[in-house]
Amino acid sequence: GEDVEQSLFLSVREGDSSVINCTYTDSSSTYLYWYKQEPGAGLQLLTYIFSNMDMKQDQRLTVLLNKKDKHLSLRIADTQTGDSAIYFCAESRGGTSYGKLTFGQGTILTVHP
Amino acid sequence: NAGVTQTPKFRVLKTGQSMTLLCAQDMNHEYMYWYRQDPGMGLRLIHYSVGEGTTAKGEVPDGYNVSRLKKQNFLLGLESAAPSQTSVYFCASTNPVGGLNEQFFGPGTRLTVL
Repeated sequence: GEDVEQSLFLSVREGDSSVINCTYTDSSSTYLYWYKQEPGAGLQLLTYIFSNMDMKQDQRLTVLLNKKDKHLSLRIADTQTGDSAIYFCAESRGGTSYGKLTFGQGTILTVHP
Repeated sequence: NAGVTQTPKFRVLKTGQSMTLLCAQDMNHEYMYWYRQDPGMGLRLIHYSVGEGTTAKGEVPDGYNVSRLKKQNFLLGLESAAPSQTSVYFCASTNPVGGLNEQFFGPGTRLTVL
């Protein structure tokens, strides 16, 4: 079955880089996603990567995908206090999956001044 | 555009009471989803719909029912609430394109069952 795992907590100092890791088990994943949830709010898509790519950069965000090890990471450069949130990785498959996403447990990122 | 909206934002129920959560989207999305979020467990899919008049079970459907009578609305019902249903409920919608599934989420409903 499908399974997505993340570590639950990460604490960094303002200005440092943050790296959030995720592992998944479904080798038929077509896209992998990073969502951000701020306190008291819903989830918002931060970025995504197609499964045949190994890296994607978007401003302060870098996504790395190691398909062989089924490992996904999100690096946030120059982390700010406004980046404090819960970060979820998720995966989807094409075909008849009806757009369903499988989410990890979420990593709570705390940024200290 | 309002995006995805949910009502109510908060609710407290007693065990055995019933209620309906309403999700509305104005993006003309075909697919809609109901999730519950519990600490340390991420989001788990309760039910979903791939179009008006259709519904299907997700990962944790027991104790919930849904209806999609209009394309823009997706209702989640609890017929007889239990304390185990205390959670934050999120609705999402999307139109998958070529396998890319960007789901748009509502702000959530925080439900407490006493």
